[in-house]
Amino acid sequence: ETGVTQTPRHLVMGMTNKKSLKCEQHLGHNAMYWYKQSAKKPLELMFVYSLEERVENNSVPSRFSPECPNSSHLFLHLHTLQPEDSALYLCASSQVPSGNGYTFGSGTRLTVV
Amino acid sequence: QKEVEQDPGPLSVPEGAIVSLNCTYSNSAFQYFMWYRQYSRKGPELLMYTYSSGNKEDGRFTAQVDKSSKYISLFIRDSQPSDSATYLCAMKGYQKVTFGTGTKLQVIP
Repeated sequence: ETGVTQTPRHLVMGMTNKKSLKCEQHLGHNAMYWYKQSAKKPLELMFVYSLEERVENNSVPSRFSPECPNSSHLFLHLHTLQPEDSALYLCASSQVPSGNGYTFGSGTRLTVV
Repeated sequence: QKEVEQDPGPLSVPEGAIVSLNCTYSNSAFQYFMWYRQYSRKGPELLMYTYSSGNKEDGRFTAQVDKSSKYISLFIRDSQPSDSATYLCAMKGYQKVTFGTGTKLQVIP
């Protein structure tokens, strides 16, 4: 596989469920990101991992918990979500400091019911 | 004021038209400027990456940056139905990347 792969593509979960989103990059990049994309809003940066260390957490509620076990894998653990958390969750990777832009995965379409 | 302003569209053009997509920004610290294309049910893909003011051309695509006016553009020549997508501008200062809301483009055969 090449690029950035995200699973699952679609996820429907109840407000009391616990689930995880997975991201894997095959580009040898050293930074990985979680973004939230909602309709008619700019991409919202949630978390940044650089060299496997979390370097940014943009005031994201604690019901979202990231994990980066190595430079190729990134997870987003979800629990007790709210309906307003329904969105497209995008993973991206890049090479820092010299990289030219991000490579995104296809995203996980999350619906909270 | 938003850091990056982008008209959401939708913009409908006939096949073969020249398309102009634009963003304005307010943060003078932005140094790098990008355009991403996002097809339905896909993640954004990087189209163009520029650093300085001026034009950069890649095939049918031309990115233009005017730092004095804080204005960037993406031109698409000879537009094709396959160009139908949402186009996001993005800008980067020292670390953080800020995205526009995206402009939805439809090229009608």
